[in-house]
Amino acid sequence: EIVLTQSPATLSLSPGERATLSCRASQSITRKLAWYQQRPGQAPRLLIYDISRRATGISARFSGSGSGTDFTLTISSLEPEDFVVYYCQQGGDWPPLTFGGGTKVEIK
Amino acid sequence: QVQLVESGGGVVQPGRSLSLSCAASGLRFNKKGMHWVRQVPGKGLEWVAFISSDASSQFYVDSVKGRFSISRDNSKSTLFLQMNILRPEDTAIYFCGVDGDWGRLDYWGRGTLVTVSS
Repeated sequence: EIVLTQSPATLSLSPGERATLSCRASQSITRKLAWYQQRPGQAPRLLIYDISRRATGISARFSGSGSGTDFTLTISSLEPEDFVVYYCQQGGDWPPLTFGGGTKVEIK
Repeated sequence: QVQLVESGGGVVQPGRSLSLSCAASGLRFNKKGMHWVRQVPGKGLEWVAFISSDASSQFYVDSVKGRFSISRDNSKSTLFLQMNILRPEDTAIYFCGVDGDWGRLDYWGRGTLVTVSS
């Protein structure tokens, strides 16, 4: 099973700042890495897939990068609605599909 | 637009059964693989099961193998999860989701809460 480790668990930033979220895999997962955003009381929403492709309707302030086992979600300039939880997910070797533990972006 | 609506959640005693449904619209349901993912309130996401578009393949997380069964009715654009021998640790919000490719979930329902408690 591929384990995904997200860091930090909580990121405290101010609106307008840049957010950098990390996701590290226990083994290489080629390009099969996605990021999701989850607002309180809502279902997750696909943001990024294949490491760096934005899903339909997702703002250009969200970008993904990385390769092999190390991946990053960057939010270039935080908007108020971005202060929620983000998860990475791999499909490089499944079943099982696995998710990271999540990073909460909170207002500093 | 794609809509997924889960139903069937509730409170059930340990050892009993429960069946969840996920009604899909706005997509070619019979062309899409489907997933169930669960989340303990306030905690992270855990993938539960997958079924291919034609139901020829099903996969499960180890913790539910032999207890849960995923199925689908393409004529009714509906996904199911039959959950047997439920345990307190199965308590979670259960989401259905559409497979986009390689196991990513392009669309999610709003979820249905299952509580296993005596």
